[in-house]
Order: sequence, then structure tokens, then C-alpha cells
Amino acid sequence: QLQLQESGPGLVKPSETLSLTCSVSGGSVSSSGFYGGWIRQPPGKGLEYIGIIYYSGSTFYNPSLRSRVTISVDTSKNQLSLRLKSVTAADTAVYYCAHGNEDVWGSFTVIFDDWGRGTLVTVSS
Amino acid sequence: EIVMTQSPATLSVSPGERATLSCRASQSVSSSLAWYQQKPGQSPRLLIYDASTRATGIPSRFTGSGSGTEFTLTISSLQSEDFAVYFCQQYNEWPPLTFGGGTKVEIK
Repeated sequence: QLQLQESGPGLVKPSETLSLTCSVSGGSVSSSGFYGGWIRQPPGKGLEYIGIIYYSGSTFYNPSLRSRVTISVDTSKNQLSLRLKSVTAADTAVYYCAHGNEDVWGSFTVIFDDWGRGTLVTVSS
Repeated sequence: EIVMTQSPATLSVSPGERATLSCRASQSVSSSLAWYQQKPGQSPRLLIYDASTRATGIPSRFTGSGSGTEFTLTISSLQSEDFAVYFCQQYNEWPPLTFGGGTKVEIK
């Protein structure tokens, strides 16, 4: 079982870039089949998929956020990263990282085995 | 985008009773549906995948059923640790993956 821990600023100003990292322990982000995802939950609302990155480096973003989001992996630090630019108050949410493995679930089947605790990011001046 | 709708938003149940949660998809997702449980201050936990298969370590009182557009999560006899929020997620057609809005199961 992997453990995931999100970290980053809890407050971001409007129009700036939100940057979060997800530290992974108990496994490697570069292991065969690994995929890591970012999901967010605005206050009082449901979960929204942001995007995922596979061990191969392939990324799949939510079309509604694609123009503003970048997900990357740092294999030397065993971390996932999320960058969301030009934020507004609508981007205020708890941000979760999560992972799965396509060697377990099947090609192009995305089920999240483990999640981080989440980190609240507020967009405000 | 496939829209997932969960009902009810809140379900009040007494310990030991049965809870039935619903998840509806705006178009067929076949059996590509997962259920997650989230307790306050905790990470979501995978309960069910492929609509009806329990994840490792999940008690048998949790049962998933359905296919196509209509899905149900049944908790046969609610234990104190089961009071939580439950989300469904489809993975049949993506991106984007989509989640339901959640059902909160609270103590009656």
C-alpha cells in the first residue's frame, strides 16, 4: 500500500499559479503500470477530476482545465506535481493526489487504490 | 462528459439497519463503476470496483450492484464505523473521469 502526502501553499492569489506536490512512499512513481492523479473537492461540492500521469509520462487532463493545468513526475524525488495557472476563487478546493496501477486494473482503467489526506488551497487576495 | 448523480444526498440510518445508496449515470458506463468511502478528515478508501467486486479487506456487508446507468451500494447492517460519505466514480469513458456528488450516511 502506497502512502501519499500532498503539500504546498494554502493560500494563492487570484491570477497566480497554484503549485502542489505529492510525496509518494512505499512504492515508486516509475514502477511499471503506475499512474498518479489529482482530484479536487470545492467546499460543499463533489469530487472533480483534474488529470493523471502514467509512469510512461503520458498525461490525460480534464478538458475543462486542460489549458491551465500541468501534471508532472519527479522520479528522483518520487513525487507528483500539479501546476494550475491563472487561478480564480472557483479553484478554491481541497486537492487530493491518488494512485493506481494499470498492471492491476487493466489498460486505460483508472481506479484509485490509495489517496492522500488532501490539502486545502484557498484562492484569495 | 458523463454526469454521475447520487441520491439521496443524506441518508439517516440507525446502527444495525440497512442502507441503500443510489448512483445514476447520464449514459451507460457498463460495469465500470467504483465506490469510495470517505470519513471526516480521512482519505477516500476504495470499497467496490467493476460495480460489484469488493476491494481487498472490505467487509461482506458492503454490496455493489447494477450496470449500465443504475447502480446501488447496499450496507447490510450499519456499523458505527460505516457512517461516512460515499462517492461513486465511472471509468468507462474518460477523460474526464467523473464522480457523483456523494451521499452522507449519518446516524439516525
